[in-house]
Amino acid sequence: EAGVTQSPRYAVLQEGQAVSFWCDPISGHDTLYWYQQPRDQGPQLLVYFRDEAVIDNSQLPSDRFSAVRPKGTNSTLKIQSAKQGDTATYLCASSRDRGNTEVFFGKGTRLTVV
Amino acid sequence: GDSVTQTEGPVTVSESESLIINCTYSATSIAYPNLFWYVRYPGEGLQLLLKVITAGQKGSSRGFEATYNKETTSFHLQKASVQESDSAVYYCALGDNVGDNSKLIWGLGTSLVVNP
Repeated sequence: EAGVTQSPRYAVLQEGQAVSFWCDPISGHDTLYWYQQPRDQGPQLLVYFRDEAVIDNSQLPSDRFSAVRPKGTNSTLKIQSAKQGDTATYLCASSRDRGNTEVFFGKGTRLTVV
Repeated sequence: GDSVTQTEGPVTVSESESLIINCTYSATSIAYPNLFWYVRYPGEGLQLLLKVITAGQKGSSRGFEATYNKETTSFHLQKASVQESDSAVYYCALGDNVGDNSKLIWGLGTSLVVNP
């Protein structure tokens, strides 16, 4: 079984630039999560989907961040105008359904904004 | 509020020594907390190491153990004899028993370095 795939693995931007992160969850997993993990901190949930629907995006900085999962499979997280404070690792994860099931994480995209 | 506090790293031990990484939690808005240990090996993604959803129970995996202690609100991770391959970052996490995985509250992580 293939794991959660993320790309790119690394990104370096100047402030004001845009960037998109892509995630391919495990096949059959209906729930997909995007987390932001600043250095030396735990993951912080940004948004999560069940199929194509956004279930909770309350922690997503809506003025610059957006996330979509149009067909309920792959997902894209976009930062419109990056700031230095966005420097972090962005993690995508998926799980089969709501419940006490294991959440599977991708390797993450490490973003540096200079 | 809900929070998780764990041993600040890095923790450095020698191979075959014993290990304990402390984790305590506060679950003021979660009626029936679930507790997790996740691990991130170098170059890999976060992966579940073990979980316990019932107070008083012990979880174990890969030689690691953790007991869910409701009285002390703790979920310490222990291993009797570590190996160099255990070098990784370990995260304690707190979740809600209704199973909404989005409600995981994470500790800051503890970097473990095992010297040969």
